[in-house]
Amino acid sequence: NAGVTQTPKFRILKIGQSMTLQCTQDMNHNYMYWYRQDPGMGLKLIYYSVGAGITDKGEVPNGYNVSRSTTEDFPLRLELAAPSQTSVYFCASNPAGGVKGYTFGSGTRLTVV
Amino acid sequence: DAKTTQPPSMDCAEGRAANLPCNHSTISGNEYVYWYRQIHSQGPQYIIHGLKNNETNEMASLIITEDRKSSTLILPHATLRDTAVYYCIVRVARILEYGNKLVFGAGTILRVKS
Repeated sequence: NAGVTQTPKFRILKIGQSMTLQCTQDMNHNYMYWYRQDPGMGLKLIYYSVGAGITDKGEVPNGYNVSRSTTEDFPLRLELAAPSQTSVYFCASNPAGGVKGYTFGSGTRLTVV
Repeated sequence: DAKTTQPPSMDCAEGRAANLPCNHSTISGNEYVYWYRQIHSQGPQYIIHGLKNNETNEMASLIITEDRKSSTLILPHATLRDTAVYYCIVRVARILEYGNKLVFGAGTILRVKS
């Protein structure tokens, strides 16, 4: 049981480039989330999804896009990368129905230069 | 969701109990208390949660005061590997409206020392 898998683990982008951060979970969780964590700071929610085909914005959605075509996958797209998007990105999931804890991936460390 | 207040940092001797406090004086009756931790450079890890009663699992114990305005996470025998940032989060399970999202504060840096 792999849990939440994120790829790549590290990436360096040039300003203006685009990329997709991949997130896959094998626990059949309905809810999935993308967070970013800047150095020395807490996590901030970018986007979330409550099921396939349903997504919504979190606290800091600007500069990002998401899609959820399957229960398993929740990719995060960066268009026109900017230095302000240098951060560590975490994907998480939890089952529908309320109170159970989230499972987080190991993160993608992105640097935009 | 209710706001939480945690001390910015704490130290604990290896092998001793680590007691991490959290104030959540504006908590509502249907809000749960969650604890997560984040070891350096890793994703956050779920520890425990509770509503009213004290809870215990293989990782920790959670003590919630009777008025639910504060709680304490207890790591009974802290090890060096427990050095991490510990987040106390209060959250209501309004599933359709908020998608169960967690809001992280600054947390408490726990340093376990030998």
